Amino acid sequence: ILNVEQSPQSLHVQEGDSTNFTCSFPSSNFYALHWYRWETAKSPEALFVMTLNGDEKKKGRISATLNTKEGYSYLYIKGSQPEDSATYLCALDNYGQNFVFGPGTRLSVLP
Amino acid sequence: DAGVIQSPRHEVTEMGQEVTLRCKPISGHDYLFWYRQTMMRGLELLIYFNNNVPIDDSGMPEDRFSAKMPNASFSTLKIQPSEPRDSAVYFCASSLTSGGETQYFGPGTRLLVL
Repeated sequence: ILNVEQSPQSLHVQEGDSTNFTCSFPSSNFYALHWYRWETAKSPEALFVMTLNGDEKKKGRISATLNTKEGYSYLYIKGSQPEDSATYLCALDNYGQNFVFGPGTRLSVLP
Repeated sequence: DAGVIQSPRHEVTEMGQEVTLRCKPISGHDYLFWYRQTMMRGLELLIYFNNNVPIDDSGMPEDRFSAKMPNASFSTLKIQPSEPRDSAVYFCASSLTSGGETQYFGPGTRLLVL
């Protein structure tokens, strides 16, 4: 059973602060890593799909990096806004064999 | 495209009753996934289909759960008989292919078994 971990479990930051959190996974089972943003009472929405070691993706103030050799990915949010408040999920994609979500990091941005 | 469609959005039933959840994937997507979200376990994959064929049902909790995909545009997840511990949000997702493809999630069905 693949184990995908995320830290911290929850995070409170002030509006304007930059923040980051971690997803770690067994590097031997890697095909792709997905980041999703999940707002309360909504469904998860895709942010990034990352496949290459050293890959860096960016969408507005949010960016992510990937290290497949050591088995981790970082998600960064620059200048957090209240609308960034959500749970951020990563998921390990083991090429059609399974798709395992981490427990998520719950971010609260205080105005 | 309307995205992944799930029905009903909310379901309240009594223990022992049969519950059927429905999903319509995005047209042209070959993969369909059923997930369950609970506070204790987070988002768990129950089963997924490729071209209407179940590929991995190892996440299905027990024999009371069954899923079918009779055609490319429709899938059901059935619980019979339902129990209070089945109360959760059930998500359906679809993707174009597997391996590095984004999964698009439906709005979920919030199930409460009394």
